[in-house]
Amino acid sequence: EIVMTQSPATLSVSPGERATLSCRASQSVSSNLAWYQQKPGQAPRLLIYGASTRATGIPARFSGSGSGTEFTLTISSLQSEDFAVYYCQQYNNWPQVFGQGTKVEIK
Amino acid sequence: EVQLVESGGGLVQPGGSLRLSCAASGFTFSSYWMHWVRQAPGKGLVWVSRINSDGSSTSYADSVKGRFTISRDNAKNTLYLQMNSLRAEDTAVYYCARDSVWGGVSNWGQGTLVTVSS
Repeated sequence: EIVMTQSPATLSVSPGERATLSCRASQSVSSNLAWYQQKPGQAPRLLIYGASTRATGIPARFSGSGSGTEFTLTISSLQSEDFAVYYCQQYNNWPQVFGQGTKVEIK
Repeated sequence: EVQLVESGGGLVQPGGSLRLSCAASGFTFSSYWMHWVRQAPGKGLVWVSRINSDGSSTSYADSVKGRFTISRDNAKNTLYLQMNSLRAEDTAVYYCARDSVWGGVSNWGQGTLVTVSS
């Protein structure tokens, strides 16, 4: 089973600043990686698929990059609604494992 | 608008069984793979199971293999998860989710809480 490791566990950022979240796979997943956002009490929302393609309706301030084993989610200028937990997920192999999440909190 | 509505959660004793349902609407259900994903209280997301569009192929996480069964009724636009031999560690919110044709999971239900406790 592929292991997905996200860092950091918690990221403290001021509104308007840039946030950079990392996700590492224990073996190559090619570009078969997705990012999700989850707010308290809500279901997750798909942000990015194919490592770098924004899902429908996702603002341009969200961008994804990477391939193979190293991936990054960047939020260029944090808005109040972006403070949430972010998960990566690989879908290259079964099971489609999620990372443990990165909580983006207000600094 | 895509809608996924789960039902069937509740309190069950260890060793017991429960069947979750997910009613789908707003899209052609029979064309999409579907998933169950769970989230224990205060914890992260864990993929549980998936089924292909016609129900002929399924996959499971090792933690539920042999105990859980995913199925679907395309005539009723409904996804199911039969959960047997439940354990305390199965306690979680269970989400029904639609596969994205491009990768990942594009749509999620609101979740149904399953609590396994004596």
